[in-house]
Amino acid sequence: GNSVTQMEGPVTLSEEAFLTINCTYTATGYPSLFWYVQYPGEGLQLLLKATKADDKGSNKGFEATYRKETTSFHLEKGSVQVSDSAVYFCALILNTGGFKTIFGAGTRLFVKA
Amino acid sequence: DVKVTQSSRYLVKRTGEKVFLECVQDMDHENMFWYRQDPGLGLRLIYFSYDVKMKEKGDIPEGYSVSREKKERFSLILESASTNQTSMYLCASSQPERRNTEAFFGQGTRLTVV
Repeated sequence: GNSVTQMEGPVTLSEEAFLTINCTYTATGYPSLFWYVQYPGEGLQLLLKATKADDKGSNKGFEATYRKETTSFHLEKGSVQVSDSAVYFCALILNTGGFKTIFGAGTRLFVKA
Repeated sequence: DVKVTQSSRYLVKRTGEKVFLECVQDMDHENMFWYRQDPGLGLRLIYFSYDVKMKEKGDIPEGYSVSREKKERFSLILESASTNQTSMYLCASSQPERRNTEAFFGQGTRLTVV
């Protein structure tokens, strides 16, 4: 079936550390890939997206590259800040079935000052 | 600024009560979704709707129903609330035409069933 697997958290980093959150997917067809972020007490909001192989999505210093050969979409940031503390969700949309979004389980990130 | 609004941030209900969670979007989106969010399980789709008066079951529809009488409003109904329905509920909307369309989320309703 179609699914998204992301690394378990929580991930705890010091400020200015390098961040990687791994995400792999299984999908029939050719999905679009997304990272959403959920700050404490809020709903999810789109962080970045990529719609085809080798596309790189980027926003707020975060980036992720759509790797079709490894079915991956890993999230990276070169230097995290305390304000990046949140839950990060990897997700995909299939081009069938009404564009239903399938989410990973989420990875909680804590950044210490 | 686009917006998805859920009627309550926090709710406490008793076992057996009928519970209504309301969601309104102002973006004229065709698609609307209800998810529940639980630690370690991420977001699980309860129901979704592609049009007015149209609904489809998601992955965990048992114990829930929905109503979409108007395009902008999508209601989630717990017919007889149970303690295992204590959770964070998230409503979302999106447009179906583009395969890279993002989902817009409300702030969530934290429901506690006692």
